[in-house]
Amino acid sequence: EVVMTQSPATLSVSPGEGATLSCRASQSVSSNLAWYQQKPGQAPRLLIYGASTRATGIPARFSGSGSGTEFTLTISSLQSEDFAVYYCQQYNNWPDTFGGGTKVEIK
Amino acid sequence: EVQLVQSGAEVKKPGESLKISCKGSGYSFTSYWIGWLRQMPGKGLEWMGIIYPGDSDTRYSPSFQGQVTISADKSISTADLQWSSLKPSDTAVYFCARQAHDSAIDYWGQGTLVTVSS
Repeated sequence: EVVMTQSPATLSVSPGEGATLSCRASQSVSSNLAWYQQKPGQAPRLLIYGASTRATGIPARFSGSGSGTEFTLTISSLQSEDFAVYYCQQYNNWPDTFGGGTKVEIK
Repeated sequence: EVQLVQSGAEVKKPGESLKISCKGSGYSFTSYWIGWLRQMPGKGLEWMGIIYPGDSDTRYSPSFQGQVTISADKSISTADLQWSSLKPSDTAVYFCARQAHDSAIDYWGQGTLVTVSS
């Protein structure tokens, strides 16, 4: 099973600032990596797939990069609605696995 | 509009059985995988298993193999997750989700809270 490790666990950011979230895979997952956003009491929402392609309706301030074992989600200028938990997921090898999440909180 | 609508919250006692459901609409139900994921209180997301309603091909995550049963009825565009004997540790929110082959999850159900307590 591919282990996904996200860092940091919590990121404190002021509105308007940028944020960089990291995700590492225990073995190569090629570009089969997605990022999701989850707010309390809600289902996750797909942000990025294929490591760098924004899903439909996702603002351009969200961008993804990386391949193989190292991936990054960048939020260029945080808006109030962006404070949430973010998960990475690999879908290269079954079972698909998720990272433990990064909570982006207001500083 | 693609929708996955899950059945409502459940409160059960240890040892009881349970089936929760997920109804898909707005797309070809037999052309996408439907997966089930667990989110325990305050924790992250875990894949439990996945089914392809077109041919009922089913895969389970090793952690959940033998613990639950996933099924689908394509005639009513519904996938189910079933337990034969619940434990308190099964208390969680369970999400169904749509996934294309070798792709990310693009649509999610609203989640079903299952509480197991004596």
